Amino acid sequence: DGGITQSPKYLFRKEGQNVTLSCEQNLNHDAMYWYRQDPGQGLRLIYYSQIVNDFQKGDIAEGYSVSREKKESFPLTVTSAQKNPTAFYLCASSDPGQGVGQYFGPGTRLTVT
Amino acid sequence: AQTVTQSQPEMSVQEAETVTLSCTYDTSESDYYLFWYKQPPSRQMILVIRQEAYKQQNATENRFSVNFQKAAKSFSLKISDSQLGDAAMYFCAYRRGHNDMRFGAGTRLTVKP
Repeated sequence: DGGITQSPKYLFRKEGQNVTLSCEQNLNHDAMYWYRQDPGQGLRLIYYSQIVNDFQKGDIAEGYSVSREKKESFPLTVTSAQKNPTAFYLCASSDPGQGVGQYFGPGTRLTVT
Repeated sequence: AQTVTQSQPEMSVQEAETVTLSCTYDTSESDYYLFWYKQPPSRQMILVIRQEAYKQQNATENRFSVNFQKAAKSFSLKISDSQLGDAAMYFCAYRRGHNDMRFGAGTRLTVKP
């Protein structure tokens, strides 16, 4: 079945540690996205990538980094520079074309203490 | 910058009744797309319905329909014959271009048996 996988579902880290969230898709989509979701707020865009080896910052990129070495994979690293990293992180992908909705993975809940 | 506003943080509906969720957006563009996403307790984002701004006809998907008022920049979601499985957070989203997708803060819908 085609879809997007994110692992792990729950992730715990100590403050000051970098952590990498995985996102894999087998939908053959060119574009991939990372969103952050906080309670009472909608999704906010962290980074996006339209093609392999290329990515752009979204609205809240500070403290995060990404890579896009393969079409299927778009990992997100939450660095120690991110001041409030505890959140729910969603990965999405889409075909080209603005009319196409984005398909989302199941998300990763990151807790940093 | 485009913004999306959902003025109803919470709504409730009796099973089998109809409920309407409100969404307004701000844009100076004439060509864009609008979406409603559902996020059940599993937190998986599911695309419910989409509307192309250049189409006057309101989109419909089974029990879900929209009331798109372009001049008023309004995009409400109507759920008919509400079911217990409709209980979820609902997010309105606006998309202009490949990567500019903006989400509202969401409306939590409760369905009462």
